[in-house]
Amino acid sequence: AQSVSQHNHHVILSEAASLELGCNYSYGGTVNLFWYVQYPGQHLQLLLKYFSGDPLVKGIKGFEAEFIKSKFSFNLRKPSVQWSDTAEYFCAVIPNTGFQKLVFGTGTRLLVSP
Amino acid sequence: DVKVTQSSRYLVKRTGEKVFLECVQDMDHENMFWYRQDPGLGLRLIYFSYDVKMKEKGDIPEGYSVSREKKERFSLILESASTNQTSMYLCASSPSRTVVFGQGTRLTVV
Repeated sequence: AQSVSQHNHHVILSEAASLELGCNYSYGGTVNLFWYVQYPGQHLQLLLKYFSGDPLVKGIKGFEAEFIKSKFSFNLRKPSVQWSDTAEYFCAVIPNTGFQKLVFGTGTRLLVSP
Repeated sequence: DVKVTQSSRYLVKRTGEKVFLECVQDMDHENMFWYRQDPGLGLRLIYFSYDVKMKEKGDIPEGYSVSREKKERFSLILESASTNQTSMYLCASSPSRTVVFGQGTRLTVV
């Protein structure tokens, strides 16, 4: 069964700082990878996804993520965060074949101070 | 746009009650999921279904059951609600590899 680890539970940054959130997964086969964001009081929204092809994926609101197959990682990045990026971020994995069960990491709560 | 609709945003139920959480999707998706979201634990899969009348246990099925009599509707049932089932419950639907979430139901068991 697949699993996802997000090592940073809480991150505090000042505006304009760069962001990198770690995500590692374990699964024996090929996977599709996602980052979701949940703003305070709102429901989950898809930030970006990787299915195949270019391992550097660009999403909404200036976010990007890089899939490094050898490291089983899919880290999320943003060069310059804004106060409005304050939210909880979830990495998720779904296998490419078989039962397509979407499994989430425990989430990273990001606080951006103005 | 695909819509996943959960019947209630907020629910308050008493310990021991049987609770039904309803979820409807409007795009004929095969796969549907129920998660619960708790602070520090992320989203944990309770049950999922890949077709009508088909269901599979997720990671935390204890205390829950599900029903999928029609393709568009996936119900989560708490047979006898307990206070440790107080949580945010999220339904999701998926045609293949992309998942769309409902707005969530915040359930409080008192």
